Amino acid sequence: DAGITQSPRHKVTETGTPVTLRCHQTENHRYMYWYRQDPGHGLRLIHYSYGVKDTDKGEVSDGYSVSRSKTEDFLLTLESATSSQTSVYFCAISKDAYEQYFGPGTRLTVT
Amino acid sequence: DQQVKQNSPSLSVQEGRISILNCDYTNSMFDYFLWYKKYPAEGPTFLISISSIKDKNEDGRFTVFLNKSAKHLSLHIVPSQPGDSAVYFCAATNTGANSKLTFGKGITLSVRP
Repeated sequence: DAGITQSPRHKVTETGTPVTLRCHQTENHRYMYWYRQDPGHGLRLIHYSYGVKDTDKGEVSDGYSVSRSKTEDFLLTLESATSSQTSVYFCAISKDAYEQYFGPGTRLTVT
Repeated sequence: DQQVKQNSPSLSVQEGRISILNCDYTNSMFDYFLWYKKYPAEGPTFLISISSIKDKNEDGRFTVFLNKSAKHLSLHIVPSQPGDSAVYFCAATNTGANSKLTFGKGITLSVRP
């Protein structure tokens, strides 16, 4: 299994609070991704990174920001959480941008 | 605009029989396709892939077929086993353009013992 962890695994937070999710890899892969999975929508890309300090938006980036200050860590921040951001969040890594390997997921509930 | 479509939300098959999961795409620039399998409360796991220069790729019980003219691919699982029960996602990318995958909404496969 690819060395990829996500923290926290579960979080409940209130509307309007900031939340940061962490993805950590030990594979030294160049590419890292954040997705959300919702019923009826499959996996949707939020943001991705193609190197340290190099990031770009995905299809559902509004309300989210990311940072990657070192190869192994990719942070996803919800500046002011809303109920529509209740979801399961997956981080993925890739060596060549084709085959991606996913972390175990973070279940976020915004009340 | 859904570029990768998995039109059947679920499929149920008998153990030992063949499972055929279908996927259609609309973007003719896609040239690399992947299937992922996901169990509840776990992250998706990579299953098998195929490049557009091929029309078939096989890995054990799993075979992916690509029909470029129809913009259609399918995953065949033979023989199906109860442990194959999961959600299967089809994904596609343009390897020359960017580093993103576009996923379908997934198909829930149930294999009956």
